[in-house]
Amino acid sequence: DAGVIQSPRHEVTEMGQEVTLRCKPISGHNSLFWYRQTMMRGLELLIYFNNNVPIDDSGMPEDRFSAKMPNASFSTLKIQPSEPRDSAVYFCASRRTGTGANVLTFGAGSRLTVL
Amino acid sequence: DQQVKQNSPSLSVQEGRISILNCDYTNSMFDYFLWYKKYPAEGPTFLISISSIKDKNEDGRFTVFLNKSAKHLSLHIVPSQPGDSAVYFCAASSQGGSEKLVFGKGTKLTVNP
Repeated sequence: DAGVIQSPRHEVTEMGQEVTLRCKPISGHNSLFWYRQTMMRGLELLIYFNNNVPIDDSGMPEDRFSAKMPNASFSTLKIQPSEPRDSAVYFCASRRTGTGANVLTFGAGSRLTVL
Repeated sequence: DQQVKQNSPSLSVQEGRISILNCDYTNSMFDYFLWYKKYPAEGPTFLISISSIKDKNEDGRFTVFLNKSAKHLSLHIVPSQPGDSAVYFCAASSQGGSEKLVFGKGTKLTVNP
């Protein structure tokens, strides 16, 4: 089991550029979550999917952010256009619903720096 | 509005002593609570959890206590080891843990040799 795989691990871009972060959840996990970690706000949930369907996107900061899950093994988080305040570590996590415990498995994160 | 609060950004303890990390929550619908540990450059990893039907759960050196009336939980690590140095996140969920996890801001624990 390779765990949750995120790419890129580090991204440095300039303000106004489009950023795409990618996530491959654990095989068999049917829920996927995107979190963002900042010093000020800690770990905040952006959006989550059940069976590839977005369930709650209330944490998405604004229209510049979008997320997709075209199939059970892939998800993207896109920021367009990016701004310096988007600089953070973005985590993807997955779990298998119905297993009782709400235990998420996190990826190693994508550190985004917007200059 | 922070529904899960970890008011101590950092904690430093000596090896072998007890570490106590605290967490408060405001949402009375929360009924499942978890602690995650995070090392630098890694994602958070699950440590221990507790359901609201219990007031204590123990796993080796780690014990989580839940006080529902005070909306407070704590994580005890005994004895603390240098390898326990990490950021600890408290998280909460409703509907028996099936709903989304809400995290606190984390507490950085340093265990000194």
